[in-house]
Amino acid sequence: SAVISQKPSRDICQRGTSLTIQCQVDSQVTMMFWYRQQPGQSLTLIATANQGSEATYESGFVIDKFPISRPNLTFSTLTVSNMSPEDSSIYLCSVSGRTGFYNEQFFGPGTRLTVL
Amino acid sequence: GESVGLHLPTLSVQEGDNSIINCAYSNSASDYFIWYKQESGKGPQFIIDIRSNMDKRQGQRVTVLLNKTVKHLSLQIAATQPGDSAVYFCAEKEDSSYKLIFGSGTRLLVRP
Repeated sequence: SAVISQKPSRDICQRGTSLTIQCQVDSQVTMMFWYRQQPGQSLTLIATANQGSEATYESGFVIDKFPISRPNLTFSTLTVSNMSPEDSSIYLCSVSGRTGFYNEQFFGPGTRLTVL
Repeated sequence: GESVGLHLPTLSVQEGDNSIINCAYSNSASDYFIWYKQESGKGPQFIIDIRSNMDKRQGQRVTVLLNKTVKHLSLQIAATQPGDSAVYFCAEKEDSSYKLIFGSGTRLLVRP
């Protein structure tokens, strides 16, 4: 299984500012994913980050609001731009790796963001 | 730590009893199903998976049952322990896609 770390683990930010979240994996992976988990809710995929190409965003998420970088096979960043209180969520990084029947997704510990 | 399951349905069980957590999935074309456990302050952790051509799979103290007719998935935990207290999510996926679609989640509370 992959070991994933995220920085920061939590932050409290003012509206209108931006926060960049880092995700580091202990092995090279092709696909990295960013999820949002709003309070009391399930996980929603924001985008897929592939090394060497632009991220692929899901419906309802746009690059201007959530720019993503993927400079190499072990690292990615997600920026939450021009934040509002509605952006208060847990943001989770995930990678695809082999276990069980298929390539399963392993998750990082998450970044808990509160926007005031 | 901050809870991720403040508004989720809750299942409360006595320590030592068996737990059954249910999930209704939406896509009849899904080929693969996974149960995740999320403890407070942590990311989701893989528990067990099952393919659509199976109706049951067992792991250590856990069993997943799949009923494709009614698009229902369940997770059974035998002899529930305090360490099983967490939020449990089911997820589904088509073979043709890399996307995992998560269900709404259930909080499991184990009473000592």
